[in-house]
Amino acid sequence: NAGVMQNPRHLVRRRGQEARLRCSPMKGHSHVYWYRQLPEEGLKFMVYLQKENIIDESGMPKERFSAEFPKEGPSILRIQQVVRGDSAAYFCASSPTTGTGPKRRRTSTDTQYFGPGTRLTVL
Amino acid sequence: SQQGEEDPQALSIQEGENATMNCSYKTSINNLQWYRQNSGRGLVHLILIRSNEREKHSGRLRVTLDTSKKSSSLLITASRAADTASYFCATLSGAGSYQLTFGKGTKLSVIP
Repeated sequence: NAGVMQNPRHLVRRRGQEARLRCSPMKGHSHVYWYRQLPEEGLKFMVYLQKENIIDESGMPKERFSAEFPKEGPSILRIQQVVRGDSAAYFCASSPTTGTGPKRRRTSTDTQYFGPGTRLTVL
Repeated sequence: SQQGEEDPQALSIQEGENATMNCSYKTSINNLQWYRQNSGRGLVHLILIRSNEREKHSGRLRVTLDTSKKSSSLLITASRAADTASYFCATLSGAGSYQLTFGKGTKLSVIP
């Protein structure tokens, strides 16, 4: 069972360009979280998504940042018109759906499994 | 205010010694988790301790939780050079919560 996949691992953009970061959760996981880590800092929560739904985007800047988790394909974190302050490591985590069978509950669980991160550098 | 503050910020020990890192937090929690991050890499989940637990073991790791003092400690016994990494505590608070709140981490260097 492959872990959480993120790509690219490193991304260099010039100011004003768009950055697109991708995250494929672990197999069987339907919850995706994005965190940002500035140099010498801990991770800060940005957004929590389930398939086709943004559950909580309270940690995401109101402008230029958006996230999606479509029915098919990876979750995408998009940063438009990047600025130098956007330079950071962006981590995606996933957690499984709880329960089994036709009445399984779609709730978040406690343990989040992190991907290797995308290191964004804005020149 | 920041939840999950680790101390010390940096720790350097000889291989074979024990390493102890501490974490303090401010609000009541559901659980507290410890993660390891090797330089330039992602986070590896080490151990989770729930608010009604006091101590937990996993291999060479021992975690304690004191909810009255709002603090936790991570002990790594018989350290190895491969344990060199940053260690973060993260807390989960509130019913149905999912936002992990991380501290700034402790940088551990184990000298061979």
